[in-house]
Formats: sequence, structure tokens, C-alpha cells
Amino acid sequence: ELKVEQNPLFLSMQEGKNYTIYCNYSTTSDRLYWYRQDPGKSLESLFVLLSNGAVKQEGRLMASLDTKARLSTLHITAAVHDLSATYFCAGSTGTASKLTFGTGTRLQVTL
Amino acid sequence: NAGVTQTPKFRILKIGQSMTLQCTQDMNHNYMYWYRQDPGMGLKLIYYSVGAGITDKGEVPNGYNVSRSTTEDFPLRLELAAPSQTSVYFCASSQTPGTEAFFGQGTRLTVV
Repeated sequence: ELKVEQNPLFLSMQEGKNYTIYCNYSTTSDRLYWYRQDPGKSLESLFVLLSNGAVKQEGRLMASLDTKARLSTLHITAAVHDLSATYFCAGSTGTASKLTFGTGTRLQVTL
Repeated sequence: NAGVTQTPKFRILKIGQSMTLQCTQDMNHNYMYWYRQDPGMGLKLIYYSVGAGITDKGEVPNGYNVSRSTTEDFPLRLELAAPSQTSVYFCASSQTPGTEAFFGQGTRLTVV
């Protein structure tokens, strides 16, 4: 059974700073996903990582995947207030792409 | 392009009542899912479908039922509402494995 753990659960950071969110998973996961959720809103897809060593970047966010370590990271560069949200990683196994989510990291970027 | 549409957005049910949460997608996706999100938690899979006529249980299926008669629609049925079913429910769809899942806006359900 796939289990996904994120840390930290809560992150308060100043604008302009860099930080990394970590996502560990327990067994082989075919793919690794990152989603963003604003309060009271739905989930927005950020990245889909399909293979070992995959790295994807969009703006100030960069995600990577190390399947041997069963670890994905979401790196935030020079944070801005608009990045304040909850970030979820999720793994999937099998052909149906059923997602197993971590508990999320609530990011608060302060001015 | 509407994407994934859920109705209703909010609902209050009394214990023992029944209701159906509606979900429809216009992207011709084969894969559809129902998740629930409890406060401060990640999402948990209730049921999923890999195509019309095919459904299967996820991690937390007890107290729920689904059907998939068309590619577009994937309703979730609560037969006897219980307080433990108070949650936000998200429907999602994806084209193929390995592609991103698109989520609806969610249904916030309170059982009192």
C-alpha cells in the first residue's frame, strides 16, 4: 500500500527567501504529482513527474523526483506572497492512476 | 470549456437522509474519481472508474455508491448520511494514466 508523507506540514517564510518541501513515499510509485490548493478552492495541477531524475520548473517553483530515494521535492525560489497556498504531493500506482495524497504543506509567505 | 462540474456546491443533510452528488466532465476522459477531503487533511479516494460501466472501490468506499452509465457522468450516492461523512467531496477526471487529473470545484457537505 502506497503511503505518502510530506514535510513540513506548515511553513512560514518571508518574501524573497528560498525553501524546499519534501515528499517521501513508501513503495514504488509510477508517477508523482504536485498540486496547489487555495483556501476553499479546488486543486490545481502543478507538475507531473514520470521518471527518475525528472525535473520540471514553472516560474518560482521547481519539482524533482528521485525514485531510488522515493523522494520528491518542491523548491520555491524567491518566494512571493501569491505563492501562499497548500501544496500537496500525490503518488499513483497501477493503470488507473489512483492518487494517494500526502497531508499537504500549508505555505504562508509573509511580506 | 467547462472541465469538471460538480453540483451542488454546498449541502446540509440530516442523519439518515440520502443524496446524490453530481459530477460531469466535457473532456471525454475515460478515468474519473471521487475523493473526500477532511479538514486539514489530504484527499482520500472513495471510488473510481476507468470507463463507462466500470467502477471500483478506493480507500474509503463504505457508505457510498457510484455508477458510470456514460463517459461524461459519474454520480456519487450517499444512502444513509452519517456525521462522519461531513467533508468536502471532489470529483476528478484524467485522460490517461500519467497525465494530470482535473478537479471539480468541490461539494461541501455537512451532516447534522
